Amino acid sequence: GESVGLHLPTLSVQEGDNSIINCAYSNSASDYFIWYKQESGKGPQFIIDIRSNMDKRQGQRVTVLLNKTVKHLSLQIAATQPGDSAVYFCAETLAAAGNKLTFGGGTRVLVKP
Amino acid sequence: GAGVSQSPSNKVTEKGKDVELRCDPISGHTALYWYRQSLGQGLEFLIYFQGNSAPDKSGLPSDRFSAERTGGSVSTLTIQRTQQEDSAVYLCASSRTAIHQVTQYFGPGTRLLVL
Repeated sequence: GESVGLHLPTLSVQEGDNSIINCAYSNSASDYFIWYKQESGKGPQFIIDIRSNMDKRQGQRVTVLLNKTVKHLSLQIAATQPGDSAVYFCAETLAAAGNKLTFGGGTRVLVKP
Repeated sequence: GAGVSQSPSNKVTEKGKDVELRCDPISGHTALYWYRQSLGQGLEFLIYFQGNSAPDKSGLPSDRFSAERTGGSVSTLTIQRTQQEDSAVYLCASSRTAIHQVTQYFGPGTRLLVL
């Protein structure tokens, strides 16, 4: 599954460069945030998460930044590779409400060799 | 299994027919979620289960949609009298629990096409 047909913002990046994907979330009470990667014909794949008591978290080649003041989330991918080409979604959730995910609209990343 | 599985992977049906979609969560995961991904709507929440109970059905778009989960494992999403606007990818996710901040892992989805 993918968001085919939606007008997705697209980020074109040269292989080896760093990518930054931005997301504005809607609920100031949300306490848990997740980035997912979705390739064509597949379900969303977990990349990295962050809790609301943090402002930065690092994984392997990925960093998530959280700015609660302006309700903004970003995903940084270091040394972008062709396999990073996909649609990226941020999602917010509130544990007290059952953790149901509210997704952003998605960003398509195209990595140029 | 190692991950969330869904069946069928693709389903083509005629308008007015009923369909059943199945989700097998990760073993030991007590929380199970259904989402829909459609053209123009992105990813939207439908319903979730904690164990066999469904505390939140707020995302179900109409009373033609229902879901159940028995034995705390497999769940089925049923759409009665399908309409063309039901065409979408139906995604299932599971997590260890619904009451703490834990990751949801998704299955590959069922692509439903209503003709």
